[in-house]
Amino acid sequence: AQKITQTQPGMFVQEKEAVTLDCTYDTSDPSYGLFWYKQPSSGEMIFLIYQGSYDQQNATEGRYSLNFQKARKSANLVISASQLGDSAMYFCAMREDSGSARQLTFGSGTQLTVLP
Amino acid sequence: DVKVTQSSRYLVKRTGEKVFLECVQDMDHENMFWYRQDPGLGLRLIYFSYDVKMKEKGDIPEGYSVSREKKERFSLILESASTNQTSMYLCASRTGVSYGYTFGSGTRLTVV
Repeated sequence: AQKITQTQPGMFVQEKEAVTLDCTYDTSDPSYGLFWYKQPSSGEMIFLIYQGSYDQQNATEGRYSLNFQKARKSANLVISASQLGDSAMYFCAMREDSGSARQLTFGSGTQLTVLP
Repeated sequence: DVKVTQSSRYLVKRTGEKVFLECVQDMDHENMFWYRQDPGLGLRLIYFSYDVKMKEKGDIPEGYSVSREKKERFSLILESASTNQTSMYLCASRTGVSYGYTFGSGTRLTVV
């Protein structure tokens, strides 16, 4: 089974609108972390936001928030007030804390295009 | 700022060549990782290392090997490059006590 599932290969949003990128995960590890990364066309991986499995509140970082629903095993990224510079590939990733090096497992990504 | 440097941004190699992809980090990170990125598949883990000379296979190790002789350097080796190894390769590092992962800028390898 896929550990991280991103069901939206591509998304479009109008500038200044909010957009939600979906991510569901699968783990039996009680301790884990969830990440969102942005990858513009230049190829660099830019860390956006992190949510730990024991965190009570949803993480927020500026215009980014993570809608964490533990029982549903979902960790959706919400981008408010979209900007043209938000156009990029977005990856959801998970770290399971039972592993020796705590590697990240990634989803297949969502290509977001912000329209002017 | 932590830096993870991948020696080449673009590489073109011939089928059957032995290929070395180098990754160096400057912050004494214990854990280092090699991923390959393909459209529609996201990033898939090839190998990782949690200490010098220690390595473990990831999800897709076939056709690859790695070397970590010094803490700062983690090399990915394609023993005999094949066209299906044409991909973007990303190196990452992480300290053992934080959730911070730092990625290199990637090497786009084309095998012809």
